[in-house]
Amino acid sequence: EDQVTQSPEALRLQEGESSSLNCSYTVSGLRGLFWYRQDPGKGPEFLFTLYSAGEEKEKERLKATLTKKESFLHITAPKPEDSATYLCAVQAPMYSGGGADGLTFGKGTHLIIQP
Amino acid sequence: AAGVIQSPRHLIKEKRETATLKCYPIPRHDTVYWYQQGPGQDPQFLISFYEKMQSDKGSIPDRFSAQQFSDYHSELNMSSLELGDSALYFCASGHTGELFFGEGSRLTVL
Repeated sequence: EDQVTQSPEALRLQEGESSSLNCSYTVSGLRGLFWYRQDPGKGPEFLFTLYSAGEEKEKERLKATLTKKESFLHITAPKPEDSATYLCAVQAPMYSGGGADGLTFGKGTHLIIQP
Repeated sequence: AAGVIQSPRHLIKEKRETATLKCYPIPRHDTVYWYQQGPGQDPQFLISFYEKMQSDKGSIPDRFSAQQFSDYHSELNMSSLELGDSALYFCASGHTGELFFGEGSRLTVL
C-alpha cells in the first residue's frame, strides 16, 4: 500500500528563517510526486510535480527536490503569507490497483511564519 | 484562467437525507477526481473519471455514487447521509498528471 509521511507535523519559523519540509514515500513505480499548499477551508493549490529522482523545481521562495525515497520542500526567507499547510501526494502507476489513479496524500505540515 | 468550479459551496442536510455535489472541471481537462477531507485530515481519494468513464475507485462508501456527463461536469451523489459524512468535498481536474482543485463543497450533516 502506498504510504506518504510528512515531517514535521507543524513548524513555526520567524520571518526570513529558511527551512525544509520532508515527504518520505513508499510506492512501487512512482508516476509523480506533488506538492500542494492549502489554506484553511480552501482547496489545495498546486505548487509542483516531480517525476524522477534528481529533479528540482522552483517557484518564488519555494524549491522542491526529489530522491528515490523522499522529497523536500525548501522555503527560503519565508514571509508571513507563506503560512499554510503544505501537502505532499504521490501518484502510483495507472492500473496498479487500490485507487492508484488518485493521489495519496500525506497528513501535511502546518507551517506558521511569524513576523 | 478558468478554475475548477464546485457547487454548492455549503450544504446542510439531516441524517438519512440525500445530497448532490456538482463539479465543473477546467476546460480540456480529461480527468476528474473527487476527494473527501474531514476536519484536520488529509484529502482522501473517492473516485475518478477519465473521458467520462469511471477510471478508479478509492475509499468511496457504497452509499455514494458519481458520474461524469457529456459536457464533462461531474456529480457526486450521497444518500442515507450519516454524521460522519460531514466534510469538505473537493473536486479536482487534470491533464497530463497535474491536478487542480476546486474550492470545495462543505457538507454538514445534522
